[in-house]
Amino acid sequence: EPEVTQTPSHQVTQMGQEVILRCVPISNHLYFYWYRQILGQKVEFLVSFYNNEISEKSEIFDDQFSVERPDGSNFTLKIRSTKLEDSAMYFCASRPQANYEQYFGPGTRLTVT
Amino acid sequence: AQTVTQSQPEMSVQEAETVTLSCTYDTSESNYYLFWYKQPPSRQMILVIRQEAYKQQNATENRFSVNFQKAAKSFSLKISDSQLGDTAMYFCAFLSTSGTYKYIFGTGTRLKVLA
Repeated sequence: EPEVTQTPSHQVTQMGQEVILRCVPISNHLYFYWYRQILGQKVEFLVSFYNNEISEKSEIFDDQFSVERPDGSNFTLKIRSTKLEDSAMYFCASRPQANYEQYFGPGTRLTVT
Repeated sequence: AQTVTQSQPEMSVQEAETVTLSCTYDTSESNYYLFWYKQPPSRQMILVIRQEAYKQQNATENRFSVNFQKAAKSFSLKISDSQLGDTAMYFCAFLSTSGTYKYIFGTGTRLKVLA
């Protein structure tokens, strides 16, 4: 069964450094999402992406964040200058054109020290 | 804006018993979807069950069933014959059919199944 994959599973970085989280959505999916879950809290929507552009973003998704689909298979989330409060689990999700349900990846745990 | 509320931060149940997790939501939309996701210690998000708002019949998936009360905006999850592997965090999620189909999650209920 096709699945969404994310790399790395765990990333440790120092405050102020740039990080790129990578996702490979399911191949025939057209809509892509990033969500964030701070430890012990709920999962929160960050951004949705369709047709090579952001379709919606939350208040969390400020100028430090960006998303890209660089090569038709990967979907990346970049944090330009990480802060301690960016430490969280980041989930990628995708869905096809005709279906509302999103398929989640296993997540990347980001630790900012 | 839509909101999802899970009023039970933690629950426990004896193995083989039945437990019900509560979820309420607020929306002005008439058509939407509701989900329960399970998050074990690995933190993977695993779909447990889904419900389309336009369907009156409550969804069931093996030992998992929901009680969907549209007028009351309530969507509870019943787990029958609880198993140790059901120990996890459970999130209720709302999906709007307008906009970009983003999920709105509740704060979760931590369920512990006791041997």
